[in-house]
Amino acid sequence: LAKTTQPISMDSYEGQEVNITCSHNNIATNDYITWYQQFPSQGPRFIIQGYKTKVTNEVASLFIPADRKSSTLSLPRVSLSDTAVYYCLVVLSGSARQLTFGSGTQLTVLP
Amino acid sequence: DTGVSQNPRHKITKRGQNVTFRCDPISEHNRLYWYRQTLGQGPEFLTYFQNEAQLEKSRLLSDRFSAERPKGSFSTLEIQRTEQGDSAMYLCASSLDYGLAGVRSYNEQFFGPGTRLTVL
Repeated sequence: LAKTTQPISMDSYEGQEVNITCSHNNIATNDYITWYQQFPSQGPRFIIQGYKTKVTNEVASLFIPADRKSSTLSLPRVSLSDTAVYYCLVVLSGSARQLTFGSGTQLTVLP
Repeated sequence: DTGVSQNPRHKITKRGQNVTFRCDPISEHNRLYWYRQTLGQGPEFLTYFQNEAQLEKSRLLSDRFSAERPKGSFSTLEIQRTEQGDSAMYLCASSLDYGLAGVRSYNEQFFGPGTRLTVL
């Protein structure tokens, strides 16, 4: 499984756009990039998944360059409730026998 | 609410005691996973089931740990002779495996709220 590297923590202010970058240099052809969000005392929650280029849903956007060695999770106009840990994962297509989490990025949104 | 549920939410026990946790997955999900999470770390995979069959176990799952999913629905995780190092959040997740005929590329895992175990 490809290892992922992301910043340990980030701070932002309400209303700003937040971009969290993740590197996954050893990503394989059939791997997908997936992001989860976790609030304190809760289980992780799926945010978004992509393979290449750009994916957007009601919560976030995911940008993946052509070489797929990195990806950027973009959260538009964050609010205090977006304070959470964000995990970048690389997942083998159709498998998902297990998820391999790193330490994630602690995002703190300030008023 | 038809999400994943876990019971109990909190468990405090003395070292050497046995504990059992229960997970009720989303009803139509055929895959069920157990993870363990310690403070400041991401969840670590322990084991998973496809229906009632336990298909994979992590090296983290020592002989003191046993998991079952007898009817392919709910699951239990038992820890025997608990140690202080077992203190952690135990998370359960479920997913629907579309199989080879499925069109989805990834079967999203839905996590429960976890059971926080404290071993004194």
